Amino acid sequence: ELKVEQNPLFLSMQEGKNYTIYCNYSTTSDRLYWYRQDPGKSLESLFVLLSNGAVKQEGRLMASLDTKARLSTLHITAAVHDLSATYFCASQWGGGADGLTFGKGTHLIIQP
Amino acid sequence: EAGVAQSPRYKIIEKRQSVAFWCNPISGHATLYWYQQILGQGPKLLIQFQNNGVVDDSQLPKDRFSAERLKGVDSTLKIQPAKLEDSAVYLCASQLGLNTEAFFGQGTRLTVV
Repeated sequence: ELKVEQNPLFLSMQEGKNYTIYCNYSTTSDRLYWYRQDPGKSLESLFVLLSNGAVKQEGRLMASLDTKARLSTLHITAAVHDLSATYFCASQWGGGADGLTFGKGTHLIIQP
Repeated sequence: EAGVAQSPRYKIIEKRQSVAFWCNPISGHATLYWYQQILGQGPKLLIQFQNNGVVDDSQLPKDRFSAERLKGVDSTLKIQPAKLEDSAVYLCASQLGLNTEAFFGQGTRLTVV
């Protein structure tokens, strides 16, 4: 059974600071997804990581994947209030043919 | 490009009643998922369709939940009879193919009282 663990589950930080969210998964997988969810809203796709060593950046967010360590990270640079949300990582087994297994999410609050 | 459409957005029912949710995926997306998201948790896969065939329904409580995807496009998820613990947001998602992200609908928030 594929398990996905995120930490921290809750993070409060100040604007301008940097921080990293970690995502560990239990079974060999080379597909890792990051989603953002605002309160009462659906999930918005942020990054799709498809190979070992993959790194993608969008604005102040950067995601990376290390399949050997079964670890993905989401790094936030110089955080701004608008990035406050819940961030989920999800892994996919079966060569991409299976459904996504999600972590519990990281609830991020960025304070002015 | 139109997104994944779901209806209704909200539903309140009493326990032991039945309820149905509808999903229209993005045009051309062969894979369709139903997820259950309980408050404060990550989405949990209930069922996965590839066109009109079921790929994975191992986590679907089949004694009360059922789903179908007629003609490989729209899908419905039904709960009969509902229990209090079924209160959650039911998310539908569709995916074009391998190596692409799944796109999620707005979800249906179900409250069972």
